[in-house]
Amino acid sequence: IQLTQSPSSVSASVGDKVTIACRTSLNINNYLNWYQQKPGTPPKLLIYTTSNLQIGVPSRFSGSGSGTDFTLTISSLQAEDSATYYCQQTYSSLVTFGQGTKVEIK
Amino acid sequence: EVQLLESGGGLVQPGGSLRLSCTVSGFIFRTSGMSWVRQAPGKGLEWVSAISASGNRTYYTDSVKGLFTISRDNSKNTMYLQMDSLRAEDTAIYYCAKNFVVGRSAIHRYYYMDVWGQGTTVTVSS
Repeated sequence: IQLTQSPSSVSASVGDKVTIACRTSLNINNYLNWYQQKPGTPPKLLIYTTSNLQIGVPSRFSGSGSGTDFTLTISSLQAEDSATYYCQQTYSSLVTFGQGTKVEIK
Repeated sequence: EVQLLESGGGLVQPGGSLRLSCTVSGFIFRTSGMSWVRQAPGKGLEWVSAISASGNRTYYTDSVKGLFTISRDNSKNTMYLQMDSLRAEDTAIYYCAKNFVVGRSAIHRYYYMDVWGQGTTVTVSS
């Protein structure tokens, strides 16, 4: 199953709303997760099963979607959100990640 | 506190072998499936392999099938990745991750990776 994220990168100001899309090549029945990775650190789980916020993750992060189209939204971008974001499907036993979206602060 | 610690990375020549270990603490290891994910320099995340809680089911990405072997020793709270016939394209940071199951079918567990190790670096070069 292929995952295509868009955009590949985004530059936004503090306080802006940022939306990252993830399209899958097959219906994955909402088994779509989102991770945040900052340079030199391992990935961190943000959202699981499309829309469930992991414990400890700020509420400005949210996920939505169904079928083959999914979205990660940061409602009010903060400086500490500068990172690369990855979607991931585990619907198939052959797990795949999107190529990543780099979020930068203007 | 749940912790995962990878070890065993290093510099190896093309065609060589390495065995990575992931030693865990803070949760009941024998009840959790586990995964290996790698990241080549400057690149994105690539899932490599996964193993069920009991170790009786294993999965691999196509590029490592027949070359890498995932295993676990539940008595030692440790997962392994035996990597043989290494190639330059296997150069990466290798992360182990704990799988948290959120659903299941007759043959598959749906999960997310809720805890990650810090990674161990594998460099394949002559």
